[in-house]
Amino acid sequence: NAGVTQTPKFRVLKTGQSMTLLCAQDMNHEYMYWYRQDPGMGLRLIHYSVGEGTTAKGEVPDGYNVSRLKKQNFLLGLESAAPSQTSVYFCASSSTAGESKNIQYFGAGTRLSVL
Amino acid sequence: AQSVTQPDIHITVSEGASLELRCNYSYGATPYLFWYVQSPGQGLQLLLKYFSGDTLVQGIKGFEAEFKRSQSSFNLRKPSVHWSDAAEYFCAVGAQFWGNKLVFGAGTILRVKS
Repeated sequence: NAGVTQTPKFRVLKTGQSMTLLCAQDMNHEYMYWYRQDPGMGLRLIHYSVGEGTTAKGEVPDGYNVSRLKKQNFLLGLESAAPSQTSVYFCASSSTAGESKNIQYFGAGTRLSVL
Repeated sequence: AQSVTQPDIHITVSEGASLELRCNYSYGATPYLFWYVQSPGQGLQLLLKYFSGDTLVQGIKGFEAEFKRSQSSFNLRKPSVHWSDAAEYFCAVGAQFWGNKLVFGAGTILRVKS
């Protein structure tokens, strides 16, 4: 049972380059989330999705876009990377029913450096 | 706005000693409360959660936490710390009407002395 899988694990970009981070979950969860983690700031929500084809902004959405074309996948895009986007990115998913209702399960993270 | 405060950035305890990590939250109604642990280079793993009912909750790895509504707190405890408990610990608050969104504290880094 893979749970939440993030690709890639590491990436280095130059300022202005674009990239897409992929999150895949195999738990049939309805909700998915993207966070960024910076030292001393905990995790901050970038965007989230409550279902296929639906996305919404979180606390720090500027400079990021997301898409959820399939229930199991949630993509995070950086159109023009900036050094301020150097961070560790985590994807999570949660269910609205069952024993694991309202519990977020996290991927292993993507470490992104923007030079 | 909802917020979570973890007052201690770093805590160092000796192996075998007891541990208490503090967490205070700001939210007007009954929240959902969580403690997650993150080992270096890893994702977050759920230690325990509180949704309702008994205010003392048990989690994995021998951890427990107590919800105190009057103090808006959800402190994490362990009676005897093991070297493998060294990690970063995050408290988080959620609510039924937030679309399962969570607000995280800044984290507490636990160091264990042998």
